[in-house]
Amino acid sequence: KQEVTQIPAALSVPEGENLVLNCSFTDSAIYNLQWFRQDPGKGLTSLLLIQSSQREQTSGRLNASLDKSSGRSTLYIAASQPGDSATYLCAVGTSYGKLTFGQGTILTVHP
Amino acid sequence: GAGVSQSPSNKVTEKGKDVELRCDPISGHTALYWYRQSLGQGLEFLIYFQGNSAPDKSGLPSDRFSAERTGGSVSTLTIQRTQQEDSAVYLCASSLEPDAGSTGELFFGEGSRLTVL
Repeated sequence: KQEVTQIPAALSVPEGENLVLNCSFTDSAIYNLQWFRQDPGKGLTSLLLIQSSQREQTSGRLNASLDKSSGRSTLYIAASQPGDSATYLCAVGTSYGKLTFGQGTILTVHP
Repeated sequence: GAGVSQSPSNKVTEKGKDVELRCDPISGHTALYWYRQSLGQGLEFLIYFQGNSAPDKSGLPSDRFSAERTGGSVSTLTIQRTQQEDSAVYLCASSLEPDAGSTGELFFGEGSRLTVL
């Protein structure tokens, strides 16, 4: 059974810092890996999707890497802003799209 | 529509009543998924539809839970004889079927918050 773990569970940083969120998974036979953002009381917003054959994806200040053999992914956020405060969720996907989620990292960026 | 639409956004019901939650996926998305998000449990997969069939319903927690999809579009999740432990946010997502031409990226709705008193 696939298990996904995210570290740290919570992170508080001052504005402007670069930060790294970690995700690990137990079964390397994944189809893709997706990072989401969730604001309180809202649904999930897709940030980045990495196919299993890819090593990384970038969007603006976000960069996600994938090392399938070691079962790890990292989400790098550059020059953090208070608007980045949210819960970040990592999820690994099967060939038909079913996702297994981690418990999330609660990020607070204070001015 | 532009995104995944779910209704109702909030539902309060009494223990023992039946509830129906609706999901309208992004137009053209053949795959549809239901997830449940509750405190302390994170996001749990419930069921996956490809068209109108459900090849994976392994996440449905009991036989009180059922779901259907009609016309390859709208889906309804039904919870019979609700219990307090059913209180959660029920999230729906849709995607194009992952294949050589699609990444299989999932797009989520805002969710339906169910409270069972």
